[in-house]
Amino acid sequence: LAKTTQPISMDSYEGQEVNITCSHNNIATNDYITWYQQFPSQGPRFIIQGYKTKVTNEVASLFIPADRKSSTLSLPRVSLSDTAVYYCLVSSPSSGGSNYKLTFGKGTLLTVNP
Amino acid sequence: ETGVTQSPTHLIKTRGQQVTLRCSSQSGHNTVSWYQQALGQGPQFIFQYYREEENGRGNFPPRFSGLQFPNYSSELNVNALELDDSALYLCASSLGSGVSYEQYFGPGTRLTVT
Repeated sequence: LAKTTQPISMDSYEGQEVNITCSHNNIATNDYITWYQQFPSQGPRFIIQGYKTKVTNEVASLFIPADRKSSTLSLPRVSLSDTAVYYCLVSSPSSGGSNYKLTFGKGTLLTVNP
Repeated sequence: ETGVTQSPTHLIKTRGQQVTLRCSSQSGHNTVSWYQQALGQGPQFIFQYYREEENGRGNFPPRFSGLQFPNYSSELNVNALELDDSALYLCASSLGSGVSYEQYFGPGTRLTVT
């Protein structure tokens, strides 16, 4: 499994765009990149997933360069309610059998200030 | 549509005891994964069940065991509890096994071992 490295914490202000970068130098050819958000005392919530280039949904964008050794989660115009821990995951698709694994790192605590 | 539910919400046990945690998956989901989250850490994958069979396991000892029932609900059993087992236990369901499927997390069960 590819190891991921993210900043431990980030600070931002309401209305700003926030970019959180995750490095995953050992990513394998078939690995997916997924981001989750977690508020205190709640389970993580899926934000976005991608394999290459750019993926966008209603809440975020995910940028993945050609070498796929890093990825950047972009949150447009953050609000106070976006204060949470954000996790970057790199995982291999299950090929059947008992080899499914999904590893969360320590995540990035994003604090949005007024 | 009912989301993922877990019971109980909180639990206090004594070292050496056994505990059973329960999870009801989201409607239509056939896969359940269990995670342990210690304070200040990311969730750690325990195991996954797909159509009542264990489909993957993290680095947890055999005293952590599970079941998935025909209705796709699941149980996590922990024997011979240790102080380090104190954590938030999260259950997540998905439409299928494999990391390309979005996981829907429940609110968790807070286990305290004294």
